[in-house]
Amino acid sequence: AQSVTQPDIHITVSEGASLELRCNYSYGATPYLFWYVQSPGQGLQLLLKYFSGDTLVQGIKGFEAEFKRSQSSFNLRKPSVHWSDAAEYFCAVGTMFSGGYNKLIFGAGTRLAVHP
Amino acid sequence: GAGVSQSPRYKVAKRGQDVALRCDPISGHVSLFWYQQALGQGPEFLTYFQNEAQLDKSGLPSDRFFAERPEGSVSTLKIQRTQQEDSAVYLCASSLSWGQVTGADTQYFGPGTRLTVL
Repeated sequence: AQSVTQPDIHITVSEGASLELRCNYSYGATPYLFWYVQSPGQGLQLLLKYFSGDTLVQGIKGFEAEFKRSQSSFNLRKPSVHWSDAAEYFCAVGTMFSGGYNKLIFGAGTRLAVHP
Repeated sequence: GAGVSQSPRYKVAKRGQDVALRCDPISGHVSLFWYQQALGQGPEFLTYFQNEAQLDKSGLPSDRFFAERPEGSVSTLKIQRTQQEDSAVYLCASSLSWGQVTGADTQYFGPGTRLTVL
């Protein structure tokens, strides 16, 4: 069965420090992979997605993620964190169905706190 | 342009009451999804519509949950005889996709409805 694991429940970093959020997936075929961010009281906002091609994907707000098939990982990175990046981050895998739609399976999320 | 909107944003129900949650997707989006997000968890898929057709309802937790999208735009998620375990945030998402297009079509999420069952 498809699944997504985010090993870190909480991460705290200092403003200006680098960030890496881990994501491991289990999926039999080529995965469609996504990172979403959720701020308090807000909906999920897409940061970036991967479905083919270059394994290093650039997203919004200075985020990037690297797909590593051998490790079944899709880790999210940012070279310098800003206080406004404090939020909850969700990794998801998309499971394509014959009806042409994509059901997302999410990890449990990683809550990021940023110290000034 | 307007994003996905949901109403109400907050709903408190007494156990046993029926509730209806509304989703207004982005205009022209063919696909509409409902997800349930329990406290401290990631969203979990409930059901999927392609236009007015409900193609997948495999995630609905019980027959107390019912969803509809009669004209292919606005959708309503109805929960009958609410139970405490139904307390969660209910998220609606829409995407432009139709037919056999890439499964990487972006799903745009609404702010959610937080349901509390007392």
